[in-house]
Amino acid sequence: QKEVEQDPGPLSVPEGAIVSLNCTYSNSAFQYFMWYRQYSRKGPELLMYTYSSGNKEDGRFTAQVDKSSKYISLFIRDSQPSDSATYLCAMRGGNNDMRFGAGTRLTVKP
Amino acid sequence: GAVVSQHPSWVICKSGTSVKIECRSLDFQATTMFWYRQFPKQSLMLMATSNEGSKATYEQGVEKDKFLINHASLTLSTLTVTSAHPEDSSFYICSARRETEAFFGQGTRLTVV
Repeated sequence: QKEVEQDPGPLSVPEGAIVSLNCTYSNSAFQYFMWYRQYSRKGPELLMYTYSSGNKEDGRFTAQVDKSSKYISLFIRDSQPSDSATYLCAMRGGNNDMRFGAGTRLTVKP
Repeated sequence: GAVVSQHPSWVICKSGTSVKIECRSLDFQATTMFWYRQFPKQSLMLMATSNEGSKATYEQGVEKDKFLINHASLTLSTLTVTSAHPEDSSFYICSARRETEAFFGQGTRLTVV
């Protein structure tokens, strides 16, 4: 079993839809949870960062962490074509080791 | 936000030659930098952890003599792919951590012909 599981998609939605991206994990030592957006042929850029359980909102993006279920989510409201990218979840414990999901490829159609 | 600059963004080299990739943290000091490799449609795979002033720590299965890492200063780490082969063709990305957040370079697409 992989430490971090993420459905690779692809996911295609119409413009304006609410997008839900999810990851599950098995390592209960993970404390820091991140979502990165990666455009084609570019490095990942940090979208959201959450420590421990809870919700965090930033504009159209909401990150949720449920440590009891080992489940994290990223919601994108009013999705735009410019949101089309690959979204990677990432997490780590107190050490330097960061683990990534496989990435979900999202396409938002105009 | 913090910026990590990676250079070059793409490189094509002949089989058997060496290629150096630079990773710089532009507005903060990074005692630790990370090097990842990403094959098409796959996630980032950690290759090594680069520590300023000491030897890099390589992940299992990554040849340290092939992927030379030098972290000579608090703002610069380099990855040298030695005697490159076509199977080394990939997207290489560096990352530097500022406090608890990790920032990535733009990535380097290496093609070995």
